Amino acid sequence: AQSVTQLDSQVPVFEEAPVELRCNYSSSVSVYLFWYVQYPNQGLQLLLKYLSGSTLVKGINGFEAEFNKSQTSFHLRKPSVHISDTAEYFCAVSGASGGYQKVTFGTGTKLQVIP
Amino acid sequence: GAVVSQHPSRVICKSGTSVKIECRSLDFQATTMFWYRQFPKQSLMLMATSNEGSKATYEQGVEKDKFLINHASLTLSTLTVTSAHPEDSSFYICSAYKAGGASTDTQYFGPGTRLTVL
Repeated sequence: AQSVTQLDSQVPVFEEAPVELRCNYSSSVSVYLFWYVQYPNQGLQLLLKYLSGSTLVKGINGFEAEFNKSQTSFHLRKPSVHISDTAEYFCAVSGASGGYQKVTFGTGTKLQVIP
Repeated sequence: GAVVSQHPSRVICKSGTSVKIECRSLDFQATTMFWYRQFPKQSLMLMATSNEGSKATYEQGVEKDKFLINHASLTLSTLTVTSAHPEDSSFYICSAYKAGGASTDTQYFGPGTRLTVL
């Protein structure tokens, strides 16, 4: 079984400042890691995912995340946020074996960009 | 990218009625679809895994007789909330699994359905 911890429920940040949203996971098997964004009253949109290879993953909207196996972390970063980045961000993990795997979500972090 | 739609996007019903929510994969075939429920200010909780042509697999604590799932084709899964009550009010999100090799295995999420039971 896997679990995901997002330590920060809310992160306020000024526009054009950098931001890091933290995510730690636990698993007894190899994992795939994901970050999703959810705008109000909408479904989830995939920002980026780590499956294998380079530990630094670049996603849409200027976001990137780094997989750190020793620290079991997958923190999401953006060097300069915009007002439009205000949303809720979910970190998620699934097993990395073949076929579909159940995805376990963290509790989410609300990013509030302040003008 | 792959597109998943849900219908309706929003539904309000009276207590005791049944509500059907559709989830469609528009441009790919999905042998497996997932149904999630999201309470306000909380994360997504997996309710059930829906496999085309077979019975759904429900997560612990989810009443299968209350939340009927049908996955009759490779592009459509339905969730029926039977005899809905106010506590069933929630945001229901489906996802469809697109198989395409290790680098593309992922789930694509629908936009969600907001159910309000009066």
